[in-house]
Amino acid sequence: DAMVIQNPRYQVTQFGKPVTLSCSQTLNHNVMYWYQQKSSQAPKLLFHYYDKDFNNEADTPDNFQSRRPNTSFCFLDIRSPGLGDAAMYLCATSDGLAQDTDTQYFGPGTRLTVL
Amino acid sequence: AQSVAQPEDQVNVAEGNPLTVKCTYSVSGNPYLFWYVQYPNRGLQFLLKYITGDNLVKGSYGFEAEFNKSQTSFHLKKPSALVSDSALYFCAVRDKGYSTLTFGKGTMLLVSP
Repeated sequence: DAMVIQNPRYQVTQFGKPVTLSCSQTLNHNVMYWYQQKSSQAPKLLFHYYDKDFNNEADTPDNFQSRRPNTSFCFLDIRSPGLGDAAMYLCATSDGLAQDTDTQYFGPGTRLTVL
Repeated sequence: AQSVAQPEDQVNVAEGNPLTVKCTYSVSGNPYLFWYVQYPNRGLQFLLKYITGDNLVKGSYGFEAEFNKSQTSFHLKKPSALVSDSALYFCAVRDKGYSTLTFGKGTMLLVSP
């Protein structure tokens, strides 16, 4: 089945220790998104890639970076996690053919704990 | 600017009864509207979307939503609720020409046996 996969599902890191979250997709979609979701709040878009073009949201902290080495994979790097970065991180994809009517398909998420 | 409101933090309904989860939106152009469901510790699952055409949209798991342009609403409905429908429901909107999706704060649906 075509899907969006996130690894790991649960990640524990220490305050200030860099961490990388992984997302892969078998949908061959052009667009990949990273969202941050805190305790049953709405998902907050951090950034997205349209193919290789990176689009950062204006209020995304510099502490958050992303890489997309190929169509299938996208990574979220948190350079120095703080306690406030503990959250569920959601990866989503869309085909990008009609950006305003596209459906986004989400992975299961990675729950990040910062000690 | 685009925005969406879900006025209820929680909706309680008995199993077998009809359910409605409310959503209103604000856009400058034509709205594209989406409903997602989230189970505990899981990602969001797509339920349905309105792009154009028939105001009543049918989606997954027996859910449907009615687009009402005059009331700027897109309420989610189901004729007969199941206990397994208990989850967090998100309405989202995208204005024509925009690529980013704006989510509501979510409504927790609790279906009691």
